Amino acid sequence: EIVLTQSPGTLSLSPGERATLSCRASQSVSSSYLAWYQQKPGQAPRLLIYGASSRATGIPDRFSGSGSGTDFTLTISRLEPEDFAVYYCQQYGNSPYSFGQGTKLEIK
Amino acid sequence: QVQLVQSGAEVKKPGSSVKVSCKASGGTFSSYIISWVRQAPGQGLEWMGRIIPIFGSANYAQRFQGRVTITADESTSTAYMELSSLRSEDTAVYYCATDPGWFDPWGQGTLVTVSS
Repeated sequence: EIVLTQSPGTLSLSPGERATLSCRASQSVSSSYLAWYQQKPGQAPRLLIYGASSRATGIPDRFSGSGSGTDFTLTISRLEPEDFAVYYCQQYGNSPYSFGQGTKLEIK
Repeated sequence: QVQLVQSGAEVKKPGSSVKVSCKASGGTFSSYIISWVRQAPGQGLEWMGRIIPIFGSANYAQRFQGRVTITADESTSTAYMELSSLRSEDTAVYYCATDPGWFDPWGQGTLVTVSS
């Protein structure tokens, strides 16, 4: 099973700043089959990125994904107030699917 | 665009079973793979298993093997997740989602509480 480790656990930033979230895999993720999700309290997760770098429908272009192999990054170029949430990465290149433990993005 | 609507919250006794439903609308049910993901209170996301309705075949995460059964009824466009031998650690929100690898969209979630 591929273990995904996200860092940092908590990221404290201000609106307008740039956020960089990391997801590292215990082994190479096949064909960059990696997705990112945003989750707000009491809500289901929302898909942001799939295929490591493809934005899902309706996702603002301030969200971008990059990386391959074992190292992946989600970047939010300029934080908006609604971006403060928990973010998860997920790999779907190997069974079983697995998620990272999450990064909480909080307002500084 | 497909939408997924799940059944309501459940309270169960330890040792019992729970069956959660996930009804799809707005798409062709047989063309989707449906996965189930759970989230314990204050914790992260955990994939449980998936089903390909058109084939009726399911596969499960190892840690749930033998306790979880995922089925689908094409006539009602509904997928089901049944978890048996419930224990307190199974208290969680259970989500269904369409699964082309990534998960999108998601159902609204079903809270299952296991308590004596």
